[in-house]
Amino acid sequence: GNSVTQMEGPVTLSEEAFLTINCTYTATGYPSLFWYVQYPGEGLQLLLKATKADDKGSNKGFEATYRKETTSFHLEKGSVQVSDSAVYFCAPSPPQYTGTASKLTFGTGTRLQVTL
Amino acid sequence: DAGVTQSPTHLIKTRGQQVTLRCSPKSGHDTVSWYQQALGQGPQFIFQYYEEEERQRGNFPDRFSGHQFPNYSSELNVNALLLGDSALYLCASTVVPETEAFFGQGTRLTVV
Repeated sequence: GNSVTQMEGPVTLSEEAFLTINCTYTATGYPSLFWYVQYPGEGLQLLLKATKADDKGSNKGFEATYRKETTSFHLEKGSVQVSDSAVYFCAPSPPQYTGTASKLTFGTGTRLQVTL
Repeated sequence: DAGVTQSPTHLIKTRGQQVTLRCSPKSGHDTVSWYQQALGQGPQFIFQYYEEEERQRGNFPDRFSGHQFPNYSSELNVNALLLGDSALYLCASTVVPETEAFFGQGTRLTVV
């Protein structure tokens, strides 16, 4: 099955710093790749996605590029804000043709704390 | 457009009891998946329902069971609760063939 390795947290940054959260995955076939964010006390929200190699997902200033050759999907943001403090999860899904598109494999997540 | 809704939001149960959690998928979605998220961990896939049948199951014991109704809503049942079942239970919905899953806010279950 699929698996995910994310960089250990917590990551503590000052506001306006550059953010990188590394994610590598193992999967069969051609999975879609997702970054989900979980704010304190809440469920998961989709942050961005990429469905094929070399696609770049982006949202709210965050970006990640689907790198099939390195099986990576690193999350980046040029200037973080205090409101970005949350736990970030990278997740590959099985390819659509397996019919189990919504079965996601999550890592342990990376906690980001942004301070003033 | 209502997203995924789960009820209740919080629940406290005693060891050995049974619990039922409920989920209404996002409008237009027909597939519901359940996840267990222990404190400090990522969500773990429990099972998935489509067309009122369990389509796929993760590595969870038979104490965990579910149901999907004709209106696509779903229930998660856990029997003989253990302290280790304390977790946030998340419901996610999708519509075939889309891969994007929408999550509810979760039900926080505490077993004492």
